[in-house]
Amino acid sequence: KAGVTQTPRYLIKTRGQQVTLSCSPISGHRSVSWYQQTPGQGLQFLFEYFSETQRNKGNFPGRFSGRQFSNSRSEMNVSTLELGDSALYLCASSQDGASNQPQHFGDGTRLSIL
Amino acid sequence: AQTVTQSQPEMSVQEAETVTLSCTYDTSENNYYLFWYKQPPSRQMILVIRQEAYKQQNATENRFSVNFQKAAKSFSLKISDSQLGDTAMYFCAFMRSGANNLFFGTGTRLTVIP
Repeated sequence: KAGVTQTPRYLIKTRGQQVTLSCSPISGHRSVSWYQQTPGQGLQFLFEYFSETQRNKGNFPGRFSGRQFSNSRSEMNVSTLELGDSALYLCASSQDGASNQPQHFGDGTRLSIL
Repeated sequence: AQTVTQSQPEMSVQEAETVTLSCTYDTSENNYYLFWYKQPPSRQMILVIRQEAYKQQNATENRFSVNFQKAAKSFSLKISDSQLGDTAMYFCAFMRSGANNLFFGTGTRLTVIP
């Protein structure tokens, strides 16, 4: 079974631009969560999608948004990029999002803002 | 709010020896799950071991075991017979029962010395 796939692996943008990151979960998994990892703030939860609906949201500004498609693939969008958005963005999937199921992570997308 | 604290930013251990990584957490919840994740330089977050708070028995997974002390809110990871491939960042994480978002500690960088 293929793991969680995130594309692209690396991305360089400039301030003010917007960016879209993609995550394909493990086949059969319907819950997708996004996390931001930075040296200063560590790993922080962004949001979770299940059956095309945002089910849970972390404490991030509205510039951060996401969506999930009917095939469970998810995209994350960041608008009006700031230098502080430079981070590793990790996606995780689980079967149906129940807390007794482990989350499986992808390799992440490294976003650099110039 | 949940907080997870890892007080050891860096640790090292000789190959084949045993090492213990510390983690404490703070929560008012009674039902929750605790996890240790490993993040090697390849960036992928890999689940090492999981503990359900309602289970008194400590979880074990081959060379990895935990010491879960619910009253003390402590959740340490013991790695026996350390191998070079164990070199990685280790993150302790908390998940409230019924939720699907992880709260992570700041991580411990473990180096296994040949």
